[in-house]
Amino acid sequence: QKEVEQNSGPLSVPEGAIASLNCTYSDRGSQSFFWYRQYSGKSPELIMFIYSNGDKEDGRFTAQLNKASQYVSLLIRDSQPSDSATYLCAVNRGLNAGKSTFGDGTTLTVKP
Amino acid sequence: DADVTQTPRNRITKTGKRIMLECSQTKGHDRMYWYRQDPGLGLRLIYYSFDVKDINKGEISDGYSVSRQAQAKFSLSLESAIPNQTALYFCATSDLAGGGPSTDTQYFGPGTRLTVL
Repeated sequence: QKEVEQNSGPLSVPEGAIASLNCTYSDRGSQSFFWYRQYSGKSPELIMFIYSNGDKEDGRFTAQLNKASQYVSLLIRDSQPSDSATYLCAVNRGLNAGKSTFGDGTTLTVKP
Repeated sequence: DADVTQTPRNRITKTGKRIMLECSQTKGHDRMYWYRQDPGLGLRLIYYSFDVKDINKGEISDGYSVSRQAQAKFSLSLESAIPNQTALYFCATSDLAGGGPSTDTQYFGPGTRLTVL
């Protein structure tokens, strides 16, 4: 079992719809959770992080964390073609962990 | 100017050659990382360094070595390149300062595309 699992996709949604990306993790000691966006041929860039159970909103993006069920999700509201990218979930054990573990990513396509 | 730079950006080499990929950062971060990414796959950690005197193996360190020459510089070497090391390589940094939950947010360089023939 991989430490961090994501549906590889591709996930396709129409423009204006809500895109839902999911990530599960196996290490119950995980404390911080990150979503990165990676455009084709480019480097990953942070969208947002979350560390408390519940929802965290930033503009059109909402991260949801459920530590009991060991999953974290990313919702993208009013999806735009420019949101088409691969989304990487990463987790780490917190302050002294030293490193994050990445999932393989979910490819999202937003169709005009 | 970019905060994390990598050189070269593209490299084609032959099996058995020694290759060095270089990473420099101006972010003042203590932690630096080397990852490789293969098509359709996520990032796999090769080596990471918490400071100049600290080097740690990641999940796929075999066939690779690193050198942390200064806080700002972290180099990755392939001692004898082989074709299955063909991949996209990323350097990243993170900052322990503050100790908050965003610790270990990774800031990536633009990547080096390496092809081993």
